[in-house]
Amino acid sequence: AQSVTQLDSQVPVFEEAPVELRCNYSSSVSVYLFWYVQYPNQGLQLLLKYLSGSTLVESINGFEAEFNKSQTSFHLRKPSVHISDTAEYFCAANTGNQFYFGTGTSLTVIP
Amino acid sequence: NAGVTQTPKFQVLKTGQSMTLQCAQDMNHEYMSWYRQDPGMGLRLIHYSVGAGITDQGEVPNGYNVSRSTTEDFPLRLLSAAPSQTSVYFCASRITGAGRYNEQFFGPGTRLTVL
Repeated sequence: AQSVTQLDSQVPVFEEAPVELRCNYSSSVSVYLFWYVQYPNQGLQLLLKYLSGSTLVESINGFEAEFNKSQTSFHLRKPSVHISDTAEYFCAANTGNQFYFGTGTSLTVIP
Repeated sequence: NAGVTQTPKFQVLKTGQSMTLQCAQDMNHEYMSWYRQDPGMGLRLIHYSVGAGITDQGEVPNGYNVSRSTTEDFPLRLLSAAPSQTSVYFCASRITGAGRYNEQFFGPGTRLTVL
């Protein structure tokens, strides 16, 4: 069965510092990988996705993630965070008709 | 497009009551799904549908029923509510098939409390 592991439940970071949110997946078949962001009292929004091709994918607001097949990882990074990045971040994997979500990482940006 | 809409936004039930959470999408997506979100557990798939008349169970289907009579609507029914069903429920939809359309679009959620 597919599973997604987010290793850090909470990540506090100072404004303008870099951040990495870790995600590992388990699968013996091809997967599509996603990062979603959830702001307080809202639904999930797609941040970025890896379907095929280049292993480094970027979002429009400065986040990037790298698909590493040998380490089965899809870590999310941002070189300089803003207060507005404070949110819950979910890693997800899609195989067939099912999506599997990690338990989420709460990112808090400290002024 | 309104995207994925859910009603109600908030609901309080007593144990044993039944109710239906509504979900609709106007993007002509074949695939629709229901998730529940609980603290420390992420999102867990309850039921999903790959098209009108076709539904299947996800990870945590017990206590919930679904039906898909139209492409647009995918209601979730709680037959006899229990406190363990207190959660935030999200509906999502997407185009089926491989390729760049595997993104799921989420509704705003329904916060359900069962007393």
